[in-house]
Amino acid sequence: NAGVTQTPKFQVLKTGQSMTLQCAQDMNHNSMYWYRQDPGMGLRLIYYSASEGTTDKGEVPNGYNVSRLNKREFSLRLESAAPSQTSVYFCASSASAVNTEAFFGQGTRLTVV
Amino acid sequence: KQEVTQIPAALSVPEGENLVLNCSFTDSAIYNLQWFRQDPGKGLTSLLLIQSSQREQTSGRLNASLDKSSGRSTLYIAASQPGDSATYLCAVPLLGGSEKLVFGKGTKLTVNP
Repeated sequence: NAGVTQTPKFQVLKTGQSMTLQCAQDMNHNSMYWYRQDPGMGLRLIYYSASEGTTDKGEVPNGYNVSRLNKREFSLRLESAAPSQTSVYFCASSASAVNTEAFFGQGTRLTVV
Repeated sequence: KQEVTQIPAALSVPEGENLVLNCSFTDSAIYNLQWFRQDPGKGLTSLLLIQSSQREQTSGRLNASLDKSSGRSTLYIAASQPGDSATYLCAVPLLGGSEKLVFGKGTKLTVNP
């Protein structure tokens, strides 16, 4: 049972380059999320998708875009990477509605030089 | 705005000791509270989810309690083992958006053999 799968696991980008982080879940969950985790800042929500076809901004959306491609997949795009976007990115999903449990992927460690 | 605090930030104990990790939140109007474990370089693993109507939830050597009125939750680990060494995070839903979690910064636990 794969759960939430993220690719790639590691990535180094030069300032100004673009890339897309991929996330897929096999639990038939409606809601999906992208978080970033930084030392001393904890986990912060970037974007989320409550259901297929909908997306909304979280706490730190600037510099990112997302696509909910279908129910399984939720991608995060950095159009022009900046050193401030060096972080560990986590995708998560939940069944949606109230009182549901969140499941996380293993993370993508991104370094922007 | 919901804020989540975890104290202490780090804890070191000898193997076999029983211990308590603390989590406090500022707004008691929550639907649930979730405890996670994070190993170095890994994603978050869900440990326990406590519904707002519950006072306790148990899984093996772990017991989580919830006191909504005081805005507090505790995670009790019995007979700690070196394999319990990890960072433990708690999370509660954001006001007005029950699917969006607000995380504490975690307690880093080290269990010494």
